[in-house]
Amino acid sequence: AQTVTQSQPEMSVQEAETVTLSCTYDTSENNYYLFWYKQPPSRQMILVIRQEAYKQQNATENRFSVNFQKAAKSFSLKISDSQLGDTAMYFCAYWAPLTGTASKLTFGTGTRLQVTL
Amino acid sequence: DGGITQSPKYLFRKEGQNVTLSCEQNLNHDAMYWYRQDPGQGLRLIYYSQIVNDFQKGDIAEGYSVSREKKESFPLTVTSAQKNPTAFYLCASSNDRGSPLHFGNGTRLTVT
Repeated sequence: AQTVTQSQPEMSVQEAETVTLSCTYDTSENNYYLFWYKQPPSRQMILVIRQEAYKQQNATENRFSVNFQKAAKSFSLKISDSQLGDTAMYFCAYWAPLTGTASKLTFGTGTRLQVTL
Repeated sequence: DGGITQSPKYLFRKEGQNVTLSCEQNLNHDAMYWYRQDPGQGLRLIYYSQIVNDFQKGDIAEGYSVSREKKESFPLTVTSAQKNPTAFYLCASSNDRGSPLHFGNGTRLTVT
């Protein structure tokens, strides 16, 4: 069974600084997708970034980028120029293929990020 | 705007009562999902459905039931058999393989 591990329950960063959140996963699949979701205090789940395993280039979305190491099964999220609005729970998720069009996301336990002044 | 609507936002029930959580989507997505979120445990899959009138158990289906009579609707019933029902419940949908899930705003269920 696929597992996703986030080893940092809580992290703190000062505004305008850079922070990296760690994620490792276990899978025997070769083709899969990885995601980072953000859950602010409103508890709405918001997609931050998506990585396709067959693409070697690391995904980037504005201030958010990933370091995808397929052989090491590592998928870390880097947030540059941190803003107060980045304060949230961050979940790493792995997409496992199911039959038909369904996609099962397996989530890590999350990292609570606090951005301070 | 297209999206997923979960209602109600907060739900309170007495132990031993069944309760149904609503989830409606107008994204025309084929697949729908129910996740449960507990502190320190991330999100865990309860049930999912790929098409109307078909659904499959996820990782923690015991004590829950679902139906998928319409493409846009996927209600979740928390039965009295669920031993620890108090949690935050999230409904989601997707269309293509590997596509991100779209989530509703969630329902916080408290059973006393």
